[in-house]
Amino acid sequence: EDKVVQSPLSLVVHEGDTVTLNCSYEVTNFRSLLWYKQEKKAPTFLFMLTSSGIEKKSGRLSSILDKKELSSILNITATQTGDSAIYLCAVSQGAQKLVFGQGTRLTINP
Amino acid sequence: NAGVTQTPKFQVLKTGQSMTLQCAQDMNHNSMYWYRQDPGMGLRLIYYSASEGTTDKGEVPNGYNVSRLNKREFSLRLESAAPSQTSVYFCASSGGQGYGRWTQYFGPGTRLTVL
Repeated sequence: EDKVVQSPLSLVVHEGDTVTLNCSYEVTNFRSLLWYKQEKKAPTFLFMLTSSGIEKKSGRLSSILDKKELSSILNITATQTGDSAIYLCAVSQGAQKLVFGQGTRLTINP
Repeated sequence: NAGVTQTPKFQVLKTGQSMTLQCAQDMNHNSMYWYRQDPGMGLRLIYYSASEGTTDKGEVPNGYNVSRLNKREFSLRLESAAPSQTSVYFCASSGGQGYGRWTQYFGPGTRLTVL
């Protein structure tokens, strides 16, 4: 059975801290791994990582794909209260399907 | 560009009632999806449509039907709602070329409560 597992499920830190969110996967027909941020409504796309692009960075956010370990991490440095959200990891299979993890709820306290 | 739009935003049904959730996208995407999101369970795929004229079951299709009306629109129907279908429903679409075709873009969601 295809599965994507995220850890931790919940994390509370202080503003300015650095956090690392984890995602591991066991899926058939791996195509890519995606990270989404979900605040109050729809998930919004952050990064996509593929075999040909295993590290991405955008401002304070960065992500690495480890194809050997079947995992990925999402790092957020110098966290701000606006980073509070649920972070979703998803793996793309054939036929453009995504398998999602449970999500990590990140809370940044001022 | 509105992206992906969904109607209604909120709905309360009684057990046994039926309803249709509407979704439309203006990004000229070939593929469209319906997910449900329950607390602690991430997003689970109900049905998807890889292209106009085709639909396929996802992980949790029981109790639902879909229609790909045209390239822009993909509707989800609950024929006889049950309390277990209380959830937030998201529509998504994807398309384009190369690796970008695997990125899905989501609508704002419909919060459905079945009493």
